[in-house]
Amino acid sequence: SQTIHQWPATLVQPVGSPLSLECTVEGTSNPNLYWYRQAAGRGLQLLFYSVGIGQISSEVPQNLSASRPQDRQFILSSKKLLLSDSGFYLCAWSERQGMNTEAFFGQGTRLTVV
Amino acid sequence: DQQVKQNSPSLSVQEGRISILNCDYTNSMFDYFLWYKKYPAEGPTFLISISSIKDKNEDGRFTVFLNKSAKHLSLHIVPSQPGDSAVYFCAASPGGYNKLIFGAGTRLAVHP
Repeated sequence: SQTIHQWPATLVQPVGSPLSLECTVEGTSNPNLYWYRQAAGRGLQLLFYSVGIGQISSEVPQNLSASRPQDRQFILSSKKLLLSDSGFYLCAWSERQGMNTEAFFGQGTRLTVV
Repeated sequence: DQQVKQNSPSLSVQEGRISILNCDYTNSMFDYFLWYKKYPAEGPTFLISISSIKDKNEDGRFTVFLNKSAKHLSLHIVPSQPGDSAVYFCAASPGGYNKLIFGAGTRLAVHP
């Protein structure tokens, strides 16, 4: 069966520090991968999605970047965190084959920038 | 511009009654719609979906209705149980992609 791992679960970082959140998927090949953010009291905002190694699409301009160095690995990064980067970050995957499939989410990372 | 809207931030329902959660969308390219359930500090879990070629899909206590002309969908939970208390997100996907656009969510509270 497929599983998605996301870490760390919580993170407190000072303003101006770098960020690296990692997500890996097991049990599937060539997945679509996504990074979402849920700000306090808000919905889920799509930040990045990837349909293959090295292929990243950014949905909103921001202080963050994403990379996909391996087929089942997706990394969210920042060189210098801002207070506004605080939120709940979620990695997700979906099958690339077929047009209508659901996305499966990791457990999320609570990031607090102080 | 919010393409998927859940205008009710919260809903309170008595156990055993029907819960109806609503969602509106603006993008005519959306052709696949999903509902997710989310507990605090956890990732959303998939509940039920519907393709634009259908107007109804059932799975146990959960039924999703789609009205394409009104660009509206709803999730019915019958009967509601206390364990259903969570935040429910509506999501939509444009044709040919699996990129999900989410609404802001509705917090459902089912009380005894």
